[in-house]
Amino acid sequence: DAKTTQPPSMDCAEGRAANLPCNHSTISGNEYVYWYRQIHSQGPQYIIHGLKNNETNEMASLIITEDRKSSTLILPHATLRDTAVYYCIVRVYNAGNNRKLIWGLGTSLAVNP
Amino acid sequence: DTGVSQDPRHKITKRGQNVTFRCDPISEHNRLYWYRQTLGQGPEFLTYFQNEAQLEKSRLLSDRFSAERPKGSFSTLEIQRTEQGDSAMYLCASSFDGGAYEQYFGPGTRLTVT
Repeated sequence: DAKTTQPPSMDCAEGRAANLPCNHSTISGNEYVYWYRQIHSQGPQYIIHGLKNNETNEMASLIITEDRKSSTLILPHATLRDTAVYYCIVRVYNAGNNRKLIWGLGTSLAVNP
Repeated sequence: DTGVSQDPRHKITKRGQNVTFRCDPISEHNRLYWYRQTLGQGPEFLTYFQNEAQLEKSRLLSDRFSAERPKGSFSTLEIQRTEQGDSAMYLCASSFDGGAYEQYFGPGTRLTVT
């Protein structure tokens, strides 16, 4: 199973861009990279996903390296409400066509005023 | 609100009691997942339904755990003879059978076994 490595914690100043890195060196060619975040005591919230190309939506941008071994989630203008644990996940396939997500420990992002 | 809902949000029970949690997925989603999350850890996969069929169960799901999804709509997760180690947040997620299958999570049910 492809695994991910993230720094345990990061700080960011309010209004600045937050760049959260993720390594997934064993990712397979058909596996997507997903990003979720979890605000304290809430369920995880889907942010964005990508396969090969960079992606952008109203929440964030996802930059995937050409070799797909790492990616970066960018929150362009972080606010205090972006303080959360951010999870980088590689989706795993199995014979049952399951789309279960294998979660690591994530990065705890603190946005400071 | 048309998101995933879970009930109850909090449950405190005594060791040895049975508990049941309910999850209502987003209406057009045919896939439903249960995860368990303990403090400081990421969610751990428990089981997965496609429509009413339970297609995979984690080794974490002991014989005391059972999940159902009658008629492919809402799902229930029952824990029999609860133990203190069952204390955790139980999360439900649903996804649509297409695209990148991104999963949408409910708020979770926090179980405390005393």
